[in-house]
Formats: sequence, structure tokens, C-alpha cells
Amino acid sequence: AQKVTQAQTEISVVEKEDVTLDCVYETRDTTYYLFWYKQPPSGELVFLIRRNSFDEQNEISGRYSWNFQKSTSSFNFTITASQVVDSAVYFCALSDLSGNTPLVFGKGTRLSVIA
Amino acid sequence: DSGVTQTPKHLITATGQRVTLRCSPRSGDLSVYWYQQSLDQGLQFLIQYYNGEERAKGNILERFSAQQFPDLHSELNLSSLELGDSALYFCASSGGQSNQPQHFGDGTRLSIL
Repeated sequence: AQKVTQAQTEISVVEKEDVTLDCVYETRDTTYYLFWYKQPPSGELVFLIRRNSFDEQNEISGRYSWNFQKSTSSFNFTITASQVVDSAVYFCALSDLSGNTPLVFGKGTRLSVIA
Repeated sequence: DSGVTQTPKHLITATGQRVTLRCSPRSGDLSVYWYQQSLDQGLQFLIQYYNGEERAKGNILERFSAQQFPDLHSELNLSSLELGDSALYFCASSGGQSNQPQHFGDGTRLSIL
């Protein structure tokens, strides 16, 4: 069975600090997708990134970066120089590689960025 | 804008009632997924339809049912509602030609009084 664990329930940082959100996953599949979604206070789920299991290169998009390590089954998300607008619940998720199956979500990490 | 449309945005009803939530997927997407987000259970997969056929079933109660119509929109029917059914219900779509990731609608917030 697939499982995603986000051990950090809530994190609070001061604006401009860097913050890393942890995600550990379990799957018997040898190929799979990993995702991060953001849920701001308004409630919608916003897609941030999808990474397939073949590609362990780190990815950077502006202030966001992702570190995928297959050896430790982790897909961590770092926000550099955090801003108040980054305050949200962040979800890590897992699916198979068909791109056409349900997502398995972690419980989410609530990030509060204080001005 | 994800391209996935959910209606209504909010729904308030009483225990024992029945409601229907509607979802229009992104253009070209054949799969529709329904998820329930409650405070105690997090984001849970309920059911998936692909091109009109049920494809996968998750933790969906027998009081809940869904269908996908020929125009690919989907409806989630919730009956004999209980207080514990209060939650945010999301629809997502995927499965178009381009193998795009699932994109979610804005959700329907269901409150049972």
C-alpha cells in the first residue's frame, strides 16, 4: 500500500527565514510520481510540482526548491526567504506513473509566516 | 484558474437530506476524481471515473454515489446526510492526451446542521 507521511503538523517562521517541509513516502512501485500542493486560507488546492521517480535532480522554481532522495524515500520542499503569502497548508502526495490514478496525500503541514 | 469547475461553492443542509455536487473537468480530461477533506481524516480519495466508467473506489460510504455523464461532467450524490459528512469536497481531473497532473476545482464546502 502507498503511504505519505508529513511529520510536521505545524511550522511557524518569521518572514524572510528559510523553511523546509518534510515528506516521506512508502510504495512498492518502482516507478511513481510525487507531488506538492498548496492550500491557502481561501481553501483551493494549488498544484506546485510533480516529479517522477526516474528523475532525482533537485528542482528550483523561484524561491521554491525540491529535494528528491530515492534512497531515503523523501521529497522535501524548501521555501527560501519566506513571505506572509506563503502561509498555507502544504500537501505532499504520491501516485503511480500512469498519471491516471488517485493521489495518496499526506496529512499536510500548516505553515505560518509571521511578519 | 485550474480549469476544473465545481458547483455549488457552499451548501448548507440538515441531517437526513440529500445533496448533489457537480464537477466539470478541464477540457480534454477524461478522468474525474472526488476527494473529501475533513478535519479529522485529511484528504481522502472517494471515487474515480474515467470516460464514463467507474475506475477506482476509495473510502466512499454506501450513502454516497457518483456518476460521470457523456459530456464528462460528474456528480457526487450524498444522501441520508449526517453531521460527520460536513467537509470540503474536491473534484480533480486528469487523463487528457498530455498526461498533465491532477488539477483541482475550488471545492464545495458542505455544512450539515
